[in-house]
Amino acid sequence: EVQLVESGGGLVKPGGSLRLSCAASGFTFSNAWMIWVRQAPGKGLEWVGRIKRKVDGGTTDYAAPVRGRFTISRNDSENTLYLQMNNLRTEDTAVYYCTAPLWIGAVRRDYWGQGTLVTVSS
Amino acid sequence: EVVLTQSPGTLSLSPGERATLSCRASQSVSSNDLIWFQQKPGQAPRLLIYGASSRATGIPDRFSGSGSGTDFTLTISRLEPEDFAVYYCQQDGNSPNAFGPGTKVDIK
Repeated sequence: EVQLVESGGGLVKPGGSLRLSCAASGFTFSNAWMIWVRQAPGKGLEWVGRIKRKVDGGTTDYAAPVRGRFTISRNDSENTLYLQMNNLRTEDTAVYYCTAPLWIGAVRRDYWGQGTLVTVSS
Repeated sequence: EVVLTQSPGTLSLSPGERATLSCRASQSVSSNDLIWFQQKPGQAPRLLIYGASSRATGIPDRFSGSGSGTDFTLTISRLEPEDFAVYYCQQDGNSPNAFGPGTKVDIK
């Protein structure tokens, strides 16, 4: 069974830092492109960024609002995805989800974690 | 950067009615890269449609996707009570893989 479990959310002051983790199981993590998505309270989904698998270069892409402040990384030996968030702003308050789009042949299945809440407030 | 707009913002319908949701892109999007998600309150999104028209595993055939280029449509042929939710389109081709703002389908 595929599972994604986020952790590391909490309350942080503006300008502060936080690192989120996403523990993956039930699939070959090193083969997956991994994505972070967030959702501010009462708002829509916002793509944060993604990291490709190492065979595809392991490169990262970010949405403009977080570029230069957030860093996505992965530890394939520990099946864990990370989101390092620096210089946090009040507008970064959201539930953060990790998600894995997996392909079995031509069939796509998406898996999402339960989300972790980050609150940026003084 | 591709910007997605969805219309209408809210769709008020009764169970059994047909729902037609629109997703328009600011520039042409490959059909391979157009996705639809459903989200209910307090839950993570669920993949409905990928590749513009392929239903995800376990999705009932009352859901269908169509379109190409800049105009895509999600159709729910006959609304069931569990279909009242928010629907998002997304393009997951060239980064950034933005979502549309969503269409809320609520009970009339």
